[in-house]
Parts: sequence; C-alpha cells; structure tokens
Amino acid sequence: DSGVTQTPKHLITATGQRVTLRCSPRSGDLSVYWYQQSLDQGLQFLIQYYNGEERAKGNILERFSAQQFPDLHSELNLSSLELGDSALYFCASSYTGGIGNEQFFGPGTRLTVL
Amino acid sequence: AQKITQTQPGMFVQEKEAVTLDCTYDTSDPSYGLFWYKQPSSGEMIFLIYQGSYDQQNATEGRYSLNFQKARKSANLVISASQLGDSAMYFCAMREERGGYQKVTFGTGTKLQVIP
Repeated sequence: DSGVTQTPKHLITATGQRVTLRCSPRSGDLSVYWYQQSLDQGLQFLIQYYNGEERAKGNILERFSAQQFPDLHSELNLSSLELGDSALYFCASSYTGGIGNEQFFGPGTRLTVL
Repeated sequence: AQKITQTQPGMFVQEKEAVTLDCTYDTSDPSYGLFWYKQPSSGEMIFLIYQGSYDQQNATEGRYSLNFQKARKSANLVISASQLGDSAMYFCAMREERGGYQKVTFGTGTKLQVIP
C-alpha cells in the first residue's frame, strides 16, 4: 500500500458525460501527479500540482482539467467524454515536486466510456 | 524522435538468472532524472530505482541496479537473481526540468516473464 488513495476504483459512463476522479496523496506529500494509461497511447503524463499550484503540464486535453485543494487532495475532471478516454488513470504523489523525488502511485481509477 | 525508447517488448529469463532491460533516452537538458517502474498484472505502479543525470555512480536498490551510460544516453535496468514475482511490465521514464517546469516521459514498457 503506497499511501495514495484514489476514488472511485472503477467508473463506467457514456460518451459526452463528465466525471471527476479524486486523489489523496500520502501524508506529508505536497506534489500530486496525474497519468493516463491506455492501450494505444501507453503511459502519458497529464499534469502535476505542487502545494496547490500547477507545476507541469503534459499531454492533457483541453477537455480535461485538474486542481489541488488546500488540504492537498486533487481532482481530475474529464468532460465531453469520448470512447478513446477509456483508460486507467493514476495519481501519484511525492514529498516535493523535485525532479529526483520518488513518486508513490495510487491504485488507479479504471474509466470505461461506452 | 522518441524521448524514451524501450526496444524489448517482451523478455524471458530463467529464475535465479540476471536480466537486463534496455532503455535509451533523448534530451538536450543537462539536468534530468531517469526512473524505472514495475507494473505487475494487478495494475499498480511500483517505483524501483532512480538515477540523476549528475550522479557519478550507478544507482542500486537491492536486486535492482541501473547501468547508466550518459554518453550513450542509456539507462538499462539490471535485475539480479530473478524471482517469479519479478514477472511484470517494466517502464523506463525520464523527468526533465526546464525553467522550473517539469516534463515526464515514459517508454512503452518491457514485459518480463520469469520462467521456473
């Protein structure tokens, strides 16, 4: 158990809908990262937050947005969902956002868009 | 050009033998970090080892070591004394930092199967 929690574990929804994925980092970790893992795109870095501020941005679509709250939990919002958004979404956390910081991954949220 | 290249989609290794998983990278930044992660069939991502671009010595963590050859831009993972529980997908990743902003890139992974 990495100490990172993600809810829900599974999510099934329809095209065009909007969903919110939630992540609670390990106690004491200030940085949160979001990743998408799909069969055709592999593992893609989406976005990173550090202490509430956006720190890095990867291949995140405009339909997707994220935020980190004062209690350091983070939410990833996915809207106007398409079939291709079906994937495993990981959240990871690290103590700081530094380049060498070990990231601890949550168990992931499996999103299925029908 | 691919930032991170893992040329071995799948590999087999005999239990108790050592195995090397290849990873080459491409960056022009002087400061970067290289990581290896393990993803068992259960799906979780497990951090294995980290190598910083300025680190003089190869990183080691138990049975894992990273063969870092900076001039060749390679960061191969060596697993010694393979165990059945090592069967999993292995991902190489690179973190670059430019102007305070980070970028993270993963390779396509290598599926390792340990044979009894």
